[in-house]
Amino acid sequence: ETGVTQSPTHLIKTRGQQVTLRCSSQSGHNTVSWYQQALGQGPQFIFQYYREEENGRGNFPPRFSGLQFPNYSSELNVNALELDDSALYLCASNSERGGDEQYFGPGTRLTVT
Amino acid sequence: GQSLEQPSEVTAVEGAIVQINCTYQTSGFYGLSWYQQHDGGAPTFLSYNALDGLEETGRFSSFLSRSDSYGYLLLQELQMKDSASYFCAVRGGGFKTIFGAGTRLFVKA
Repeated sequence: ETGVTQSPTHLIKTRGQQVTLRCSSQSGHNTVSWYQQALGQGPQFIFQYYREEENGRGNFPPRFSGLQFPNYSSELNVNALELDDSALYLCASNSERGGDEQYFGPGTRLTVT
Repeated sequence: GQSLEQPSEVTAVEGAIVQINCTYQTSGFYGLSWYQQHDGGAPTFLSYNALDGLEETGRFSSFLSRSDSYGYLLLQELQMKDSASYFCAVRGGGFKTIFGAGTRLFVKA
């Protein structure tokens, strides 16, 4: 167990809708990263938050946005859902900014129909 | 562009040794990490190399050559439970972590 939790476990949405995924990091972990993992692929970096500010972003459009809160929780918001957004969404926390040992949550499986 | 290359699949027998290679091309490099992911599970951290050389953690070892942009994960005394996907990942510039596509390891009895 990594101490990182995510909710919900599974979610089904319709194209064009909006979704919010949640993550709760380990206490003391100031950095959280979000990843998208398609079936059979490696995790793709979406963005990273450090002390409630975005400090790194991958090649994802602005409709992917996030928030990090002082209580070590964070959110990933995706607007105008597309079919290709169907994937496993993982959050990972670590104690250092840009640090290397990341603790992953179990993920949220999002299906867009 | 940024990319990590690793074999898609490796098969080995129980008790054997297997090496999973990773070559990378990234803008900025702070270190190479390895993660294990079982089907339906989340990635779990295995090892990290920031400097050239070998790092050993139990049955697992990881190697890095920065001049060759190359690393590998070595798994010894393979067990059935080691059947999983293994990802190399590079922490590069801009606080981005780039993952490879993964190597699926099948351990046979």
